[in-house]
Amino acid sequence: KAGVTQTPRYLIKTRGQQVTLSCSPISGHRSVSWYQQTPGQGLQFLFEYFSETQRNKGNFPGRFSGRQFSNSRSEMNVSTLELGDSALYLCASSRGDRGPGGEAFFGQGTRLTVV
Amino acid sequence: QKEVEQDPGPLSVPEGAIVSLNCTYSNSAFQYFMWYRQYSRKGPELLMYTYSSGNKEDGRFTAQVDKSSKYISLFIRDSQPSDSATYLCAMSDNSNYQLIWGAGTKLIIKP
Repeated sequence: KAGVTQTPRYLIKTRGQQVTLSCSPISGHRSVSWYQQTPGQGLQFLFEYFSETQRNKGNFPGRFSGRQFSNSRSEMNVSTLELGDSALYLCASSRGDRGPGGEAFFGQGTRLTVV
Repeated sequence: QKEVEQDPGPLSVPEGAIVSLNCTYSNSAFQYFMWYRQYSRKGPELLMYTYSSGNKEDGRFTAQVDKSSKYISLFIRDSQPSDSATYLCAMSDNSNYQLIWGAGTKLIIKP
C-alpha cells in the first residue's frame, strides 16, 4: 500500500511570493492534517480536512489556507511569504475516526526556504 | 502550562541500555496515545498506538499508559545507534479529532 506522498520535497521562494504544497494521502484515508515544524517550535498544527471540509484549525494567520479534493488529495497554500515561514511542512493521513486503526501516518514533508 | 509536557533532552545513553521516554498530560479526557519516531529531515513514523490504560509491546519497544497519573512512557530495550532520533508523543480524546503533541525528546545512542 502506497504511503503518504508530498510534493515538492524542497522549495525555495522569495519573500512576498506565494506557494502551494500538495499531499496525496494513503488510499482509503479521508482525513489530511497539515503541520509546520521548525527547530524552535516543534510540530505546530495548521488545519485538518475531512471529506473536503475543514474540521479543525490551528492558530495560524489567514495567509495559510488549504483545501481537499474529492479524491482526498489536499493542497496547502501560503500567500505573501515571510522569512519566518521557512520550515518543514508535514502532511498526515488517517481514516478520520478516533478508534484503533485511526492513527495518523506522515509524509516525508516539504522543506520550504524563504529568502 | 502546555497540555502535553515532554522533556526535549537530549538524552544520551550507551548502546545496549534500556531507554525510558516519558510524557505527562493534563487533560484527563485523553484516551488515545501514540509514540512517533522522527529521524532528521524526515517525517514522523508511527511506533506505538495505545488506547486507554495498560501496556503494549512490539519487539524492543514497550508503551505504557498510566491514566491515574496522567503519564505515558516508551521503553526501548537493547538500544541501538539506529534508534537515535527524536521521539514524539501524541494523544487525543473522544470529542476532538485533533492530536495534541509533545515537543519531542532527542535521543542519542552512543556506540
